[in-house]
Amino acid sequence: SAVISQKPSRDICQRGTSLTIQCQVDSQVTMMFWYRQQPGQSLTLIATANQGSEATYESGFVIDKFPISRPNLTFSTLTVSNMSPEDSSIYLCSVTGQTDTQYFGPGTRLTVL
Amino acid sequence: GENVEQHPSTLSVQEGDSAVIKCTYSDSASNYFPWYKQELGKRPQLIIDIRSNVGEKKDQRIAVTLNKTAKHFSLHITETQPEDSAVYFCAASTRTNAGKSTFGDGTTLTVKP
Repeated sequence: SAVISQKPSRDICQRGTSLTIQCQVDSQVTMMFWYRQQPGQSLTLIATANQGSEATYESGFVIDKFPISRPNLTFSTLTVSNMSPEDSSIYLCSVTGQTDTQYFGPGTRLTVL
Repeated sequence: GENVEQHPSTLSVQEGDSAVIKCTYSDSASNYFPWYKQELGKRPQLIIDIRSNVGEKKDQRIAVTLNKTAKHFSLHITETQPEDSAVYFCAASTRTNAGKSTFGDGTTLTVKP
């Protein structure tokens, strides 16, 4: 199974600022994704992180708000821009490899004041 | 797009009893159905999955059944233990894009000793 790390594990930010979350995987993976889990709720897919090209966003999520990079097969970043309290969530990186099994990172707990 | 409904939202059972959680999906193209367990403050962990070419899969105390015609699948936990207490999520996707999952809203399972 893939070992996934995320930085930071948690942060408290002021509204209007931006935060960049990093996701590192210990092996080359096929696909990387970013999910959001709002307090007490389910997981919602934000986007697919594509290596060397623009991410593919799901309905309701836009690049200006959630810019994503994936410079290589094992690393991706998600930026939450111009934050508001509604952005307070857990942000999770996930990956799939040669099989269809999906693994999740430990998550980044973001609180926006 | 895919829509996944999960029931019940909360489930309380006595230790040793069985627990059943049901999900329905809408997209007939979905062919991969994982179940995740999420303990408080932790990441979702895959506990079992089923692919559309089989109707049932079992792993010790956990089993999953799939009815493709009716578009529903269920998680069965037998001989429940207090450590089974957690939030359980079902999901649906295609095997070629397993990381692009649509999740159910989750079921909070409480096993009373």
